[in-house]
Amino acid sequence: SAVISQKPSRDICQRGTSLTIQCQVDSQVTMMFWYRQQPGQSLTLIATANQGSEATYESGFVIDKFPISRPNLTFSTLTVSNMSPEDSSIYLCSVEGPLEDADTQYFGPGTRLTVL
Amino acid sequence: DAKTTQPNSMESNEEEPVHLPCNHSTISGTDYIHWYRQLPSQGPEYVIHGLTSNVNNRMASLAIAEDRKSSTLILHRATLRDAAVYYCILTGGSQGNLIFGKGTKLSVKP
Repeated sequence: SAVISQKPSRDICQRGTSLTIQCQVDSQVTMMFWYRQQPGQSLTLIATANQGSEATYESGFVIDKFPISRPNLTFSTLTVSNMSPEDSSIYLCSVEGPLEDADTQYFGPGTRLTVL
Repeated sequence: DAKTTQPNSMESNEEEPVHLPCNHSTISGTDYIHWYRQLPSQGPEYVIHGLTSNVNNRMASLAIAEDRKSSTLILHRATLRDAAVYYCILTGGSQGNLIFGKGTKLSVKP
């Protein structure tokens, strides 16, 4: 399975500011995913990020609020822009499994964001 | 993606087997059944998946009903470290969105 790290692991931010979350994988992957987990809730997909193309956003999420970069096959960033307390959540990245296991996803440890 | 139904919570004693049920009566012929778990303060972790036949791996077993409308995740000997939220998810056989429901919160008593 892939080893995924995220930075920062947690942060406390002021409303109106932006935070960029980094996701690093120890192997090359085509598809990376960004999820949000609001307090006490399950995970919701924000967007799918393929290297070399624009991210695909799910309903309810827009690029202006959650811009994503995918500069290479091992790295991606998610920015939470113009934050409000409602953005307080855990943000997780995940990657597809290897070809023989492509139906699975492997998740990073998450970034716990608190917006004051 | 088809919907799954799981009990909100279950309790088990340490060292005993645990059977976590999942109903998916609207499953289509190409849907895979995946199980993930999320330990406290961690990202979800892949557990097991299957299509039609029962599956075993080092973590668990997956028993799939003959009509595929339900499945059961089996932890053969629960440990305290198995306390987590377990998610049953259907996927269409190609990489993409995992739709997480509320899952089953498993508590393990010593």
